[in-house]
Amino acid sequence: EADIYQTPRYLVIGTGKKITLECSQTMGHDKMYWYQQDPGMELHLIHYSYGVNSTEKGDLSSESTVSRIRTEHFPLTLESARPSHTSQYLCASRGQSMNTEAFFGQGTRLTVV
Amino acid sequence: GQQVMQIPQYQHVQEGEDFTTYCNSSTTLSNIQWYKQRPGGHPVFLIQLVKSGEVKKQKRLTFQFGEAKKNSSLHITATQTTDVGTYFCAGPIGSARQLTFGSGTQLTVLP
Repeated sequence: EADIYQTPRYLVIGTGKKITLECSQTMGHDKMYWYQQDPGMELHLIHYSYGVNSTEKGDLSSESTVSRIRTEHFPLTLESARPSHTSQYLCASRGQSMNTEAFFGQGTRLTVV
Repeated sequence: GQQVMQIPQYQHVQEGEDFTTYCNSSTTLSNIQWYKQRPGGHPVFLIQLVKSGEVKKQKRLTFQFGEAKKNSSLHITATQTTDVGTYFCAGPIGSARQLTFGSGTQLTVLP
């Protein structure tokens, strides 16, 4: 069982609210990722980090921000939620080598009303 | 840009039929990984292929890595309802060797 955790699992929130999705891993992985995914569809990379104080935007334009102050923690923040943000958000981590697998959290299913 | 393409996007099969999904990269890959995501779940690592022409088997699943290391396939023999889900390939792409996922193949198995 992978040691990567996301909270909350489900969230319904009103338009304009600020929210933070939490992701933590206890595997000591340097690389961490945030993906946005509609059910069963393509994984869209929105942010990634290769270590503490390192964050980059992914391929999908996003109105979210991330921080990486500690190796184990990679929170995603939406300053002002909109209905278009309704989706599932998946956090993942992997080790340093190119040959290591990615471990995914169970995801946060976000609904903005 | 460099990417990983996967076909088909959807596949419906009758239980007992075979299923294949194909993955193609615009660039040579050092390795290819395969993941399965059950409905409502998260992607879970299945296997990694590293060598040119490599073939690996996991029970009814057969994974192949092309000779040129630019394509890969996953074949499921005699599908079962437990095979339902989305299958993703992924490879390290670009100067940063970012793990890039294919668009996935959503498999439905009809009983």
